[in-house]
Amino acid sequence: DTAVSQTPKYLVTQMGNDKSIKCEQNLGHDTMYWYKQDSKKFLKIMFSYNNKELIINETVPNRFSPKSPDKAHLNLHINSLELGDSAVYFCASSQDPNSYGYTFGSGTRLTVV
Amino acid sequence: GQNIDQPTEMTATEGAIVQINCTYQTSGFNGLFWYQQHAGEAPTFLSYNVLDGLEEKGRFSSFLSRSKGYSYLLLKELQMKDSASYLCAVRENAGNMLTFGGGTRLMVKP
Repeated sequence: DTAVSQTPKYLVTQMGNDKSIKCEQNLGHDTMYWYKQDSKKFLKIMFSYNNKELIINETVPNRFSPKSPDKAHLNLHINSLELGDSAVYFCASSQDPNSYGYTFGSGTRLTVV
Repeated sequence: GQNIDQPTEMTATEGAIVQINCTYQTSGFNGLFWYQQHAGEAPTFLSYNVLDGLEEKGRFSSFLSRSKGYSYLLLKELQMKDSASYLCAVRENAGNMLTFGGGTRLMVKP
């Protein structure tokens, strides 16, 4: 079983659309994250979610919103997609915010055309 | 804020040893991490340092000097499969998320 799974793996969509990326972890971890990796391969934190506490990177546009129906899921919803949103989005989880060894999902390659 | 620097690319020969450096400037420090990322795949955890010194794990070792804001990842007996990007990441304070450097793309040649 995959520890952290994301769907879809690839997503091609037009500017202005709204889309969601789903993430599920079966590790029993308490904390989940969303990272964005741009074309220059920089991994940047977007959100951290722990016990219903959401920590937002202040640079993330409010078009992006995480939604967590339960501890094992942290979905990413994006409104009004822009060309600059094209990137690979990685979901990750850890036992708690102080633990090491994040487990990453396999990534979702989003292309906005 | 945080500033994490590492070389963009490195090339090494199969069987050799390579050292990938990482320097960081942060207002706080609660751990330094190294991740490996093969092209098109997810990053995978390699090592974690929170105290000064060397942590060894098989062919991979990681060193930390907090006073110098410096770490390196040492890869011994290089194999072709070690060709990947190596990401240095810092946790500034307890409970915070990791901030990653831009990664070092390592190419191992025969």
